[in-house]
Amino acid sequence: AQSVAQPEDQVNVAEGNPLTVKCTYSVSGNPYLFWYVQYPNRGLQFLLKYITGDNLVKGSYGFEAEFNKSQTSFHLKKPSALVSDSALYFCAAHNFNKFYFGSGTKLNVKP
Amino acid sequence: DVKVTQSSRYLVKRTGEKVFLECVQDMDHENMFWYRQDPGLGLRLIYFSYDVKMKEKGDIPEGYSVSREKKERFSLILESASTNQTSMYLCASSLWGLAGDASTDTQYFGPGTRLTVL
Repeated sequence: AQSVAQPEDQVNVAEGNPLTVKCTYSVSGNPYLFWYVQYPNRGLQFLLKYITGDNLVKGSYGFEAEFNKSQTSFHLKKPSALVSDSALYFCAAHNFNKFYFGSGTKLNVKP
Repeated sequence: DVKVTQSSRYLVKRTGEKVFLECVQDMDHENMFWYRQDPGLGLRLIYFSYDVKMKEKGDIPEGYSVSREKKERFSLILESASTNQTSMYLCASSLWGLAGDASTDTQYFGPGTRLTVL
């Protein structure tokens, strides 16, 4: 079965430290990869996507993601975390009009 | 900015009732989607529509139907609500995409409707 995995339910990081939220996918072909963020009681908001080209993708709010085809991973990163980054993050893979989302990772950034 | 609105933020219904969830987008997007979000399961696609009166089943269409009579509006219908349909329902829209493939485009989400079926 095709799927997207976010192996960590929760990631805790101190403000100012770098953060990584992991995502791996098992989707046939060359899926398009996305990261979305969800703040409490809100819908999902787009952060960034990988379609083709450079493996390092830059997105909103200082986030970036690294695509690794051999490891089928698309990890989300930020050099210096902010308390306001605390939210639920979803990785997604889309291909041939099929849409797969991970189970989400809760990011807690402590002051 | 794209705006996707959903008719209710919170809804409480009884088992067996017919439930309508409405979604409207204001950016002339071709594609519209209905997902349900459950803890630990992420988002699961119920249905999507790539044009007026067109629909495609997603991963979990059982117990649901949809209607798209106008481009900007996409309705999710629970014909006979059951307790296992208690969930957060998210609507999204996106542009047409490359060669009719909706996979490439960013989806814009509404705020969600938290449905409780008693």
